[in-house]
Amino acid sequence: GDSVTQTEGLVTVTEGLPVMLNCTYQTAYSDVAFFWYVQYLNEAPKLLLRSSTDNKRTEHQGFHATLHKSSSSFHLQKSSVQLSDSALYYCALRSSGSWQLIFGSGTQLTVMP
Amino acid sequence: GALVYQYPRRTICKSGTSMRMECQAVGFQATSVAWYRQSPQKTFELIALSTVNSAIKYEQNFTQEKFPISHPNLSFSSMTVLNAYLEDRGLYLCGARDRQGAGTEVFFGKGTRLTVV
Repeated sequence: GDSVTQTEGLVTVTEGLPVMLNCTYQTAYSDVAFFWYVQYLNEAPKLLLRSSTDNKRTEHQGFHATLHKSSSSFHLQKSSVQLSDSALYYCALRSSGSWQLIFGSGTQLTVMP
Repeated sequence: GALVYQYPRRTICKSGTSMRMECQAVGFQATSVAWYRQSPQKTFELIALSTVNSAIKYEQNFTQEKFPISHPNLSFSSMTVLNAYLEDRGLYLCGARDRQGAGTEVFFGKGTRLTVV
């Protein structure tokens, strides 16, 4: 079945430095959309980015991600993190065959001053 | 805009009792609703998918007998946790969308946090 892998459970970065959160996936479907959700403490997850187009960069709130089907990846990046970026980040995919969202295990991003 | 409200936000129930949580879509038609559970130290587990005028599909390890769901119209869904025990604690999320297509956004409510004592 479909799966999403986030290898880092915890990432700590100093404010102002860049960060990349890894996301790789496996799916048997060709019509698939990919998402990054951000979840702040005691809040519901909120959509940060989404993409279904290969090799197209998607940006929102300073974060960007590019879907690379050749490497089955959808890494999330930011060039200069802020303290307010500290949160839990989930990568997810959904195929048109099933609208079920498949989530990765999540990456806790902590930004240090 | 499209919003999903969930209530109650927090609830505490005694072990062995049941509690009902509700999900309200505002600004769009919630054709499909998914219920997830985020247990402590775990990612999201899909409990079931509900589509109006279709049978509710439960995932492995979740049953209608334990988590009965109602989805009577395009704006409302409810789920009950029957005979709740310690392993049922967590954040229950309702996610809704209004049409087919892999890229369609799913709107999440803020969740109902269940504590079992």
